[in-house]
Amino acid sequence: DVKVTQSSRYLVKRTGEKVFLECVQDMDHENMFWYRQDPGLGLRLIYFSYDVKMKEKGDIPEGYSVSREKKERFSLILESASTNQTSMYLCASSLVSNMNTEAFFGQGTRLTVV
Amino acid sequence: AQKITQTQPGMFVQEKEAVTLDCTYDTSDQSYGLFWYKQPSSGEMIFLIYQGSYDEQNATEGRYSLNFQKARKSANLVISASQLGDSAMYFCAMREGWGNQGGKLIFGQGTELSVKP
Repeated sequence: DVKVTQSSRYLVKRTGEKVFLECVQDMDHENMFWYRQDPGLGLRLIYFSYDVKMKEKGDIPEGYSVSREKKERFSLILESASTNQTSMYLCASSLVSNMNTEAFFGQGTRLTVV
Repeated sequence: AQKITQTQPGMFVQEKEAVTLDCTYDTSDQSYGLFWYKQPSSGEMIFLIYQGSYDEQNATEGRYSLNFQKARKSANLVISASQLGDSAMYFCAMREGWGNQGGKLIFGQGTELSVKP
């Protein structure tokens, strides 16, 4: 069974802290994505990566960075957490080779910054 | 720029009736794919159906069908014979690009569907 695993389901951090959200997939997918989900705004793409050490900015990269040192792992980093980064964060992965292959999602991390 | 728009924040449908969820998109690419996902209250994202830009037939998967109108850039999801378990958020998504850098996947704002008994 295909799997995308996010390291935490719930996280509470203080303003100014450096926060790491980890995502691991076991499907040998080239593409990996980080989204944040907010009511009324849907899923907004923060960053995506199509290969190890390769990354592309999404629509809302400000305040975030990413790291992909291994194919199966994609990390989202909040350099200095702020309250407006309180949100649900979703990681996903997909194959590059076929346009019609769907993305698979992790269970989400609900981050609260206080 | 790539964009997906879902203009219905919330919809109600009576059980056993059909419902259409709207989705319009904007892209300058000729090659792209359109997806619909369901997100129940548990939070998981469930893939429902896919339509390719070159597909001549509308996609169907069980009770789900996609009304694809390429010239109008719309990809509406039709759910037939609604069930109580269809109550959820529904997201339209688009993937454009191809090859090594292909696969950027963006989503719309979502539509919350409520099925009434």
